[in-house]
Amino acid sequence: DTAVSQTPKYLVTQMGNDKSIKCEQNLGHDTMYWYKQDSKKFLKIMFSYNNKELIINETVPNRFSPKSPDKAHLNLHINSLELGDSAVYFCASGVVETQYFGPGTRLLVL
Amino acid sequence: AQSVTQLDSHVSVSEGTPVLLRCNYSSSYSPSLFWYVQHPNKGLQLLLKYTSAATLVKGINGFEAEFKKSETSFHLTKPSAHMSDAAEYFCVHGSGNTGKLIFGQGTTLQVKP
Repeated sequence: DTAVSQTPKYLVTQMGNDKSIKCEQNLGHDTMYWYKQDSKKFLKIMFSYNNKELIINETVPNRFSPKSPDKAHLNLHINSLELGDSAVYFCASGVVETQYFGPGTRLLVL
Repeated sequence: AQSVTQLDSHVSVSEGTPVLLRCNYSSSYSPSLFWYVQHPNKGLQLLLKYTSAATLVKGINGFEAEFKKSETSFHLTKPSAHMSDAAEYFCVHGSGNTGKLIFGQGTTLQVKP
């Protein structure tokens, strides 16, 4: 059983489109996160939700909107995609600082 | 502000020789520190964590790290490298109850036959 899963694994799209990435965890954790890994492999947190409540919102453009329908799911919707959004997006869940990561979604904006 | 610096962007070792991946941290309080590994095109896996208990922390796959407050270091070691250890390694600083993790720049470990 996959602990943290993401779909899709790969996403290729045109500039200006809107896309969503889904994340699900079956670990029973209250907190979930989204991270962005850039082309230099640098990882930075974007958002975290605790039991459907937004806890961390780093300086991310408004085009990015997380949505948590329940504590096992945290989706990421991106409006008006730009070239600079190309990256790998990781979902994670955890208890405070011990976090478990999904396999990542590789987004390429053309 | 909390930060971590990984001193080597790339480390190359021969199979069977020791591994040393260096990490220094900066923190205004007693830190929580972690090492994560990322194999090619995979997600991140927690190797080990330090949370102010024993200063020598043992992790999975034979890795261990030692917390040295006087040197503000948290270096990752393994006595004998295996080909399967080739990956990207991240030193990470926790930011307390928010769960926010601050990642180092990563170190690519290459293992030569």
